[in-house]
Amino acid sequence: DAGVIQSPRHEVTEMGQEVTLRCKPISGHDYLFWYRQTMMRGLELLIYFNNNVPIDDSGMPEDRFSAKMPNASFSTLKIQPSEPRDSAVYFCATRISMRGNEQFFGPGTRLTVL
Amino acid sequence: DQQVKQNSPSLSVQEGRISILNCDYTNSMFDYFLWYKKYPAEGPTFLISISSIKDKNEDGRFTVFLNKSAKHLSLHIVPSQPGDSAVYFCAASNYGQNFVFGPGTRLSVLP
Repeated sequence: DAGVIQSPRHEVTEMGQEVTLRCKPISGHDYLFWYRQTMMRGLELLIYFNNNVPIDDSGMPEDRFSAKMPNASFSTLKIQPSEPRDSAVYFCATRISMRGNEQFFGPGTRLTVL
Repeated sequence: DQQVKQNSPSLSVQEGRISILNCDYTNSMFDYFLWYKKYPAEGPTFLISISSIKDKNEDGRFTVFLNKSAKHLSLHIVPSQPGDSAVYFCAASNYGQNFVFGPGTRLSVLP
């Protein structure tokens, strides 16, 4: 298995532009998580899905952020419009069950908003 | 308000010696704790976990200890190896509904 796949690995954009981050989970994993890592706030949980349904989006910072999971093989995190303070590394992670098992992280997308 | 704290941003240990990484939490509802290791430009990778019904879990060179009354857990690595040099994150969850990560501790194992 290739593990969790994220694209792009690096994204540089200008303030005000729309940014879309993509994640392909490990096959068979029914939970998917989006995290953001910054120097100031560390690793924060933004939102997670179970069987493609969003369960908790309380970590999403603002309405500019949205996430979708149209099927079990794909999820997106969109920022529109992007701002410089959104610059961070965004991780996608997946797992099979919610309790007792670890999450498998993707390599992350490093986003820079100029 | 940080619910999971790792008060040592960094730690240096000599190869072959024991590394002890500490983690404190404030939420008594947390019932599962995990340690992750992260190398630069990679995502965190799972290392070891412990349920709140246990006080110790061991896996090879890695042992996690949980002191519920003190709301404290620690990760012991013995013997430490240069390849263990990485950032270590402590994480906690409550009934699988909330995953909170600590800020991380950078471990350097010196040859």
